Amino acid sequence: SQELEQSPQSLIVQEGKNLTINCTSSKTLYGLYWYKQKYGEGLIFLMMLQKGGEEKSHEKITAKLDEKKQQSSLHITASQPSHAGIYLCGADCVDSNYQLIWGAGTKLIIKP
Amino acid sequence: ETGVTQSPTHLIKTRGQQVTLRCSSQSGHNTVSWYQQALGQGPQFIFQYYREEENGRGNFPPRFSGLQFPNYSSELNVNALELDDSALYLCASSLPPGAEAFFGQGTRLTVV
Repeated sequence: SQELEQSPQSLIVQEGKNLTINCTSSKTLYGLYWYKQKYGEGLIFLMMLQKGGEEKSHEKITAKLDEKKQQSSLHITASQPSHAGIYLCGADCVDSNYQLIWGAGTKLIIKP
Repeated sequence: ETGVTQSPTHLIKTRGQQVTLRCSSQSGHNTVSWYQQALGQGPQFIFQYYREEENGRGNFPPRFSGLQFPNYSSELNVNALELDDSALYLCASSLPPGAEAFFGQGTRLTVV
C-alpha cells in the first residue's frame, strides 16, 4: 500500500496550460522529493524540500511543502511536451531511517 | 563526474533461478539504495547500504540480499526467483543517507 497519496493519478493537459500535482502524507516528513520518470527508465531528480513552508523553483516547475510538512504540490507553468512523463513524490518520514517511501506517481500527458 | 550506472539493462530469468544486479554509484557517493518498481506503481524500498554496511531494510524476504564494495558500488542478489519478482529494479546513490538521491536507469527483470 502507498503511504504517500498522489493526485491525480493521470492528467491530460493542453500544451501551454498550467497544472498542479499533489502529494499527501499521513506522517510528518523530514524531506520531500520530487522526481520525474520516463516510462520504464530511471528517476530524474527535480527538487528536495525540507522546511515547512519551503518553495523551490526550477525553470517552469515550482514545488511547495506546507507548514505542517505533510503535503506538497508541484506546479508546472505553461506546460510543454518535454514535461510529459510520470511524476513521483518520495518522502523521508519520521522514524523511517532515510528509507524513502513513494507515491504511485502521476502520469502527465501534454496535448499539442 | 559519472552518474549512477546499472547493469544489465534487461534480463530474463526462469522461476527458481538466481540473479545478480549491479550498480556503480555516482563518484564520491557512499550510500546506495535499491528499489523495486512494479509496473504502474511507485518504487518500493528494498535496502540501503552505507559505507559497506546495511543501513535499513524494507519489507522484502531474505532471498533478497545485497553487498556494497569498498568503492561503494553495490550488488543486489535475488535467490529462488518468483514470477512476482518481475519489475524494474532501481539503484540510487547519495551522499550521505537522506541527501537527494540520484538514480540509475534501472534493470528490467522478467521472470518466466
